Amino acid sequence: EVQLVQSGPEVKKPGESLKISCKGSGYSFTTYWIAWVRQMPGKGLEWMGIIYPGDSDIRYSPSFQGQVTISADKSISTAYLQWSSLKASDTAMYYCARHFNLDYWGQGTLVTVSS
Amino acid sequence: EIVLTQSPGTLSLSPGERATLSCRASQSVSSNYLVWYQQKPGQAPRLLIYGASSRATGIPDRFSGSGSGTDFTLTISRVEPEDFAVYYCQQYSSSPRTFGQGTKVEIK
Repeated sequence: EVQLVQSGPEVKKPGESLKISCKGSGYSFTTYWIAWVRQMPGKGLEWMGIIYPGDSDIRYSPSFQGQVTISADKSISTAYLQWSSLKASDTAMYYCARHFNLDYWGQGTLVTVSS
Repeated sequence: EIVLTQSPGTLSLSPGERATLSCRASQSVSSNYLVWYQQKPGQAPRLLIYGASSRATGIPDRFSGSGSGTDFTLTISRVEPEDFAVYYCQQYSSSPRTFGQGTKVEIK
């Protein structure tokens, strides 16, 4: 069974750093792209970027380029999304999902940034 | 960047009625790399339709997708109580991949 399991909710202060994770199982992790999607409170879905764990090829949406870093560790079948300095506007649910057509989704990680 | 515009914003229907949701692209979506997702409150989205018209695994046949180029449609032949949700289209024809803003199907 294909599963993407994300790390738990986070509460952070503005300016802090954060790295959230997405662990894949039940399939060949290195042969499917993993995408990250943001959903701000009460809003729609925004595509942030995508990584191919096999060779760490990464594509960012221009809206998120320079704002976040996407990475992966294929040895433990895990993709990451990280921030070096969080802002209140980063408060959102973040989902990882598999492949171009996002056929499997993680359960989401709620990130709350508040002073 | 391809902009996807979904209409209507909200669709108010009674169970058993037909739902027709539209997704219009600002540029042609090549190879029909257009997908539809369903999202219920408090849940992650779920893939319904890929390649514009192919149902994902386990999706009931009351859901169907059609269209090509810049105009795409998701149809629910007879809306069931569990179908009340928000529906998003997304293209993966070109980067950046983009989503439509969503259509909410609500109980009338």
